[in-house]
Amino acid sequence: NAGVMQNPRHLVRRRGQEARLRCSPMKGHSHVYWYRQLPEEGLKFMVYLQKENIIDESGMPKERFSAEFPKEGPSILRIQQVVRGDSAAYFCASSNNWNYNEQFFGPGTRLTVL
Amino acid sequence: GQQLNQSPQSMFIQEGEDVSMNCTSSSIFNTWLWYKQDPGEGPVLLIALYKAGELTSNGRLTAQFGITRKDSFLNISASIPSDVGIYFCAGHYSGAGSYQLTFGKGTKLSVIP
Repeated sequence: NAGVMQNPRHLVRRRGQEARLRCSPMKGHSHVYWYRQLPEEGLKFMVYLQKENIIDESGMPKERFSAEFPKEGPSILRIQQVVRGDSAAYFCASSNNWNYNEQFFGPGTRLTVL
Repeated sequence: GQQLNQSPQSMFIQEGEDVSMNCTSSSIFNTWLWYKQDPGEGPVLLIALYKAGELTSNGRLTAQFGITRKDSFLNISASIPSDVGIYFCAGHYSGAGSYQLTFGKGTKLSVIP
């Protein structure tokens, strides 16, 4: 399967714990985007990364949230000291170098904070 | 920020009927995309539109990029039960080096066999 991979698919955390969400882009894609979706809502952009670079993090909360896309391995979205309001579906998308408009999405990670 | 208004919010139709949904924006976009999301899954790209006035088909799906660049519609002809899901429009504006997609809130489609 050459699609965007995300894991885990479901993640349960207690308030104050850390959540780590992983994303492997489609083969041949080097651009990764993270979006958040609340119930009954559309997706909201969080951050755009290329290998080893954060290009646009304008949609990401300034505190507790961070993202990386290392030279080797998946992209990671990290949420520290989770709160109930962080409960949502987090989607990763990837695109190729010449058509970043066409973003292909993974199956998402559903985060539940107890 | 940019906002997309998608309508209708939900629709119930009989199998075999045609469906139409649309998206309007308060500002212009360079690209319009239509996605379908099944429960518990990620959005799947259906159609991408790149030019004002462009009309593109993908099987029973047809989408158009409005000439004002502020709207788009999606039509589904002869609906079938597997068309059930939530359809999202998304727009991209490349000005100021933006790479993000702006999404509508979705149209939930139910098909009655």
